[in-house]
Amino acid sequence: GAVVSQHPSRVICKSGTSVKIECRSLDFQATTMFWYRQFPKKSLMLMATSNEGSKATYEQGVEKDKFLINHASLTLSTLTVTSAHPEDSSFYICSARVGLAGVLGTQYFGPGTRLLVL
Amino acid sequence: AQKITQTQPGMFVQEKEAVTLDCTYDTSDPSYGLFWYKQPSSGEMIFLIYQGSYDQQNATEGRYSLNFQKARKSANLVISASQLGDSAMYFCAMREGSNTGNQFYFGTGTSLTVIP
Repeated sequence: GAVVSQHPSRVICKSGTSVKIECRSLDFQATTMFWYRQFPKKSLMLMATSNEGSKATYEQGVEKDKFLINHASLTLSTLTVTSAHPEDSSFYICSARVGLAGVLGTQYFGPGTRLLVL
Repeated sequence: AQKITQTQPGMFVQEKEAVTLDCTYDTSDPSYGLFWYKQPSSGEMIFLIYQGSYDQQNATEGRYSLNFQKARKSANLVISASQLGDSAMYFCAMREGSNTGNQFYFGTGTSLTVIP
């Protein structure tokens, strides 16, 4: 199956610093990637939809200046958590859709990035 | 209203037995897709099975099958011959055809524990 990678897998940072998370589609081109956030024992919450070559579409309640998304190429999207605070600590997962648009096309997920802000 | 509802926060099953994980959905879109994912403790979301709204037959993938009852708007996952490695969180998800963003709606998940 299609592979989506994320880097880093874990990151610990001090409050006030910025953290960049990379999401790559390894064997396919992804015009659209999605960024999710997951709290312990909770479901995935969609943060934003990242479109190659254009601005990301953020879900309601997600601060676009706080969570910067750049989809510079068909295989790479980045999420930058700016001026991170302890409440930003979470599990961040990216995903990319393979195949046809619409309902078809399986969505594959990266392994996730655990962010801990001290 | 919730798009995806999973009413079983936790389930237990004996090894080698079959288990059904419930999922109901809500949409007025005639075109939609239903997905099941497995999330082990490592955190990675693993795709298991897909069912399209126009598919005539229930989807099957190895030990996984989807009991699709369109009129009831349910898409239950059946795992046959449970194995210890099946212990994980399981999420049901839906994508609607009319949703131009093609985003997923996820359920709250079911934690499955396989007992030896």
